[in-house]
Amino acid sequence: AQSVTQLDSHVSVSEGTPVLLRCNYSSSYSPSLFWYVQHPNKGLQLLLKYTSAATLVKGINGFEAEFKKSETSFHLTKPSAHMSDAAEYFCVALNQAGTALIFGKGTTLSVSS
Amino acid sequence: EAGVAQSPRYKIIEKRQSVAFWCNPISGHATLYWYQQILGQGPKLLIQFQNNGVVDDSQLPKDRFSAERLKGVDSTLKIQPAKLEDSAVYLCASSPQDRIREQFFGPGTRLTVL
Repeated sequence: AQSVTQLDSHVSVSEGTPVLLRCNYSSSYSPSLFWYVQHPNKGLQLLLKYTSAATLVKGINGFEAEFKKSETSFHLTKPSAHMSDAAEYFCVALNQAGTALIFGKGTTLSVSS
Repeated sequence: EAGVAQSPRYKIIEKRQSVAFWCNPISGHATLYWYQQILGQGPKLLIQFQNNGVVDDSQLPKDRFSAERLKGVDSTLKIQPAKLEDSAVYLCASSPQDRIREQFFGPGTRLTVL
């Protein structure tokens, strides 16, 4: 069965330092993968998506993610964190039937000054 | 363009009471989704509509949850009677027809059941 595992429930970084949020997926096929961000009291917003084109995907606000089939990973990175990046981040996969999104449990990113 | 609207934003009820949530999707979006997000977990799909027909309600606890989408636009999700474990954020999302990868989410309704 399709599943998504976010390896860290909480990540803390200092402003200006790199961000790494880790995600592994399990499936018997190459899935469509996404990263969503959720700021407090706001709706989920799509950061980026991978749909079997380029393995390095660039998203909004300087985020990018690399699809690595050999490692079944889709980690989210950003070279330099901003205070405004503090939020909840979800790694998401599309199920094989293409009918539903499967969410990871989320990673809370804290950014200190 | 206007986003997905949801109301109320917050609701507190006692167990065994009933509650209803409302969602207005982005204009022209044929597909509408309701998700349940329990604290500390990712959203879980409850029901998916295409226009006013149900596409998938396999995860909807039908003994207490119901949803409808009259005229293929607005939707309501109802819980009757509520249980403590229903405390969660209920998210509504919409997408153009057959474009599940392009979902837009509303701000959610936070339900607390006491």
